[in-house]
Amino acid sequence: DTGVSQDPRHKITKRGQNVTFRCDPISEHNRLYWYRQTLGQGPEFLTYFQNEAQLEKSRLLSDRFSAERPKGSFSTLEIQRTEQGDSAMYLCASSLSRFYEQYFGPGTRLTVT
Amino acid sequence: QKEVEQDPGPLSVPEGAIVSLNCTYSNSAFQYFMWYRQYSRKGPELLMYTYSSGNKEDGRFTAQVDKSSKYISLFIRDSQPSDSATYLCAMGAGRRALTFGSGTRLQVQP
Repeated sequence: DTGVSQDPRHKITKRGQNVTFRCDPISEHNRLYWYRQTLGQGPEFLTYFQNEAQLEKSRLLSDRFSAERPKGSFSTLEIQRTEQGDSAMYLCASSLSRFYEQYFGPGTRLTVT
Repeated sequence: QKEVEQDPGPLSVPEGAIVSLNCTYSNSAFQYFMWYRQYSRKGPELLMYTYSSGNKEDGRFTAQVDKSSKYISLFIRDSQPSDSATYLCAMGAGRRALTFGSGTRLQVQP
């Protein structure tokens, strides 16, 4: 399978715990994006990497959120001190030079209890 | 008010019908327009993208963009039960982030 993969697919955690998600983009895609989607809404942009450089962050990305792409391949998204409002689907997408042609992974569904 | 508005539906049609899905937007800087299909509990799947105004056809799907009215449409011909999903419009303006509508849920009845 050469698509975008995400791990884990589901995560249940207690409020206050830290969680980390991983995204593996389509190989040779140099651009990687994180989005968050809540029920009944479209994906909302969180952050964007070109190679290993984080070039853009949304105001949605509070201080508790951090993302990395250390070698320009896979990326991780960490949420510290989770809150119930963090419960959502976290989606990763990747693209080549055409930013409007983004391909999404299956998402990680986070439930904070 | 959201930058991109999309009727949530659900839109229910019989198999074989022509489906029309629409989005309106307020940001005149948007130049790229995309349609994604999302099945329940799956990631969005890119269907089509268009640049600026005009039409684009791909099999049973036709995308239309009218920038003067800030209105985009997706038409699905000969709809099938397998087309039942949520359809998301998305737009971009040269920034890297896409702005999505909230999605329209489509149900095609066999």
